[in-house]
Amino acid sequence: AQTVTQSQPEMSVQEAETVTLSCTYDTSESDYYLFWYKQPPSRQMILVIRQEAYKQQNATENRFSVNFQKAAKSFSLKISDSQLGDAAMYFCAYSLYSGGGADGLTFGKGTHLIIQP
Amino acid sequence: NAGVTQTPKFQVLKTGQSMTLQCAQDMNHNSMYWYRQDPGMGLRLIYYSASEGTTDKGEVPNGYNVSRLNKREFSLRLESAAPSQTSVYFCASIYSGANVLTFGAGSRLTVL
Repeated sequence: AQTVTQSQPEMSVQEAETVTLSCTYDTSESDYYLFWYKQPPSRQMILVIRQEAYKQQNATENRFSVNFQKAAKSFSLKISDSQLGDAAMYFCAYSLYSGGGADGLTFGKGTHLIIQP
Repeated sequence: NAGVTQTPKFQVLKTGQSMTLQCAQDMNHNSMYWYRQDPGMGLRLIYYSASEGTTDKGEVPNGYNVSRLNKREFSLRLESAAPSQTSVYFCASIYSGANVLTFGAGSRLTVL
């Protein structure tokens, strides 16, 4: 079974600074997807960024970027120019590329990100 | 608004009571899921339905039943609620061939 590990229960960063959230995963598959979800206090799950394992290039979405190291099974999220609105729980997730998504996502336990003004 | 709608948003039950969480999506998605979220545990899959008429157990199915009533609706039933089922429940759906889940807003359930 796939597992996703987030080793940082909580992180704190000053506003406008850069922070990196760590994620490692375990799988025997070669094709899969990795995700970062944000959950603000509203409880809504918001997709931040997605990475396809067969793509070498790291995904980027505005201030959010990932460092995908396939051999090391590592998938970290970098948030640049942190803003107060970035404060949330962040979940790393894994999905096997099955074409149907039948197995859903496997989530890590989350990292609580605090933004200090 | 298009998306995944869960009802109710909040519910308090007594031990032994039953209830059903409702979920409906209007995006013509094939697969639907129920997750539970507990502090320090992330989201864990309870049940999923790859298509209308099929359901499968996820990581934590004990104490729950599901029904995929049609393509739009996927309900989660607690037949005899226990305090260990106090949690936030999320419904989600996905279109076959894609791998991006759309989540509902969550339902907070407290079992006393």
